[in-house]
Amino acid sequence: EAQVTQNPRYLITVTGKKLTVTCSQNMNHEYMSWYRQDPGLGLRQIYYSMNVEVTDKGDVPEGYKVSRKEKRNFPLILESPSPNQTSLYFCASSLSRVALAELFFGSGTQLSVL
Amino acid sequence: AQTVTQSQPEMSVQEAETVTLSCTYDTSESNYYLFWYKQPPSRQMILVIRQEAYKQQNATENRFSVNFQKAAKSFSLKISDSQLGDTAMYFCAFIYDYGGATNKLIFGTGTLLAVQP
Repeated sequence: EAQVTQNPRYLITVTGKKLTVTCSQNMNHEYMSWYRQDPGLGLRQIYYSMNVEVTDKGDVPEGYKVSRKEKRNFPLILESPSPNQTSLYFCASSLSRVALAELFFGSGTQLSVL
Repeated sequence: AQTVTQSQPEMSVQEAETVTLSCTYDTSESNYYLFWYKQPPSRQMILVIRQEAYKQQNATENRFSVNFQKAAKSFSLKISDSQLGDTAMYFCAFIYDYGGATNKLIFGTGTLLAVQP
């Protein structure tokens, strides 16, 4: 089954404790991205990647890191989480430029930073 | 900067009735795409419908259709014969196609739709 898999679905952590949210897709998609969803703000792009070893900042990259060492994986790293990073996070992928191709979303990761 | 506005935070409709969700956007670009995404309580983001700005014909997908008014920069979603399973948050989204690599969807703040039995 074609899908974008995110783990974990729920995560509670404390300020300053490094964490990684994993994202993997099995559709051989070139494009992958991370969004965060906050009430009243919709979804905002954090980082995106057009291919292996090619990543770039979205609208809200502060406090996050990503890597794209393999085509299928695009982990989101919070090196020193803070409470303002409490949010619902989505990984997404598409075959090519999303204007022309459907964007597939993972099932989301609800992160709480205490 | 491109923006997307959904002015209805919440809406309610009776089962089997028709409801229209509003979306306006602001851009100076001419080549762009518009989307409606549905997010049910499961949190999954599901593409409902997409519209290419260069197409004059409004997109339809079964019970879902859009009213795309390019000059007014309006992109409303009409849901006919509403069903309980349509209860969800609906996001309007925009992307402009300049041939570059940003691929950034710009989302509105969402409209929470409740379908009442």
